Amino acid sequence: AQSVAQPEDQVNVAEGNPLTVKCTYSVSGNPYLFWYVQYPNRGLQFLLKYITGDNLVKGSYGFEAEFNKSQTSFHLKKPSALVSDSALYFCAVRDIMVTGGGNKLTFGTGTQLKVEL
Amino acid sequence: EPEVTQTPSHQVTQMGQEVILRCVPISNHLYFYWYRQILGQKVEFLVSFYNNEISEKSEIFDDQFSVERPDGSNFTLKIRSTKLEDSAMYFCASSEAPRGYNEQFFGPGTRLTVL
Repeated sequence: AQSVAQPEDQVNVAEGNPLTVKCTYSVSGNPYLFWYVQYPNRGLQFLLKYITGDNLVKGSYGFEAEFNKSQTSFHLKKPSALVSDSALYFCAVRDIMVTGGGNKLTFGTGTQLKVEL
Repeated sequence: EPEVTQTPSHQVTQMGQEVILRCVPISNHLYFYWYRQILGQKVEFLVSFYNNEISEKSEIFDDQFSVERPDGSNFTLKIRSTKLEDSAMYFCASSEAPRGYNEQFFGPGTRLTVL
């Protein structure tokens, strides 16, 4: 079975400071990992993904994420937060060992990011 | 930029009634999904659909649920007899190809309220 944990319900950070939103995963094989962002009354927007290769993945809006296999983590980071980054962030995983071709994503519970002036 | 669209944005229905939620996936995408998010909870997978058949479904997706691609553009989720616990935000998604590493693009959602 595949699962994701986002240990923080909320992260507060001052504008201009670096931000980190944490995610850990559990899969039988190797993971495909994704980050999505949800603004109020909007759908989920894709930010970035890890498939294979370089452990540091760069995505939209200046976000990046670091894959750490030994710690089974995929933390989302941004060097300098903006007030407009305030939103709900979801980590998701797909276990590449799962057969059946369903491509089911399993999401974490989400982390509310609040960036203040 | 192409996007997934969903209608209606909000649907209110009485318990026991049938509802159909509609989605128009991105036009060159081949793989379609429904997820739901009960208020304050995580996003949960319901079903995936490829080549005119269900590829995978969750335990939530019981006999009360069905999906259909009635034409070349629409993808629908039907709930035959709604229950109070079906109240949730329902998201449609699509991806280019049936590969697990393809990102899924989500629509804005339909908020279903069952009274």
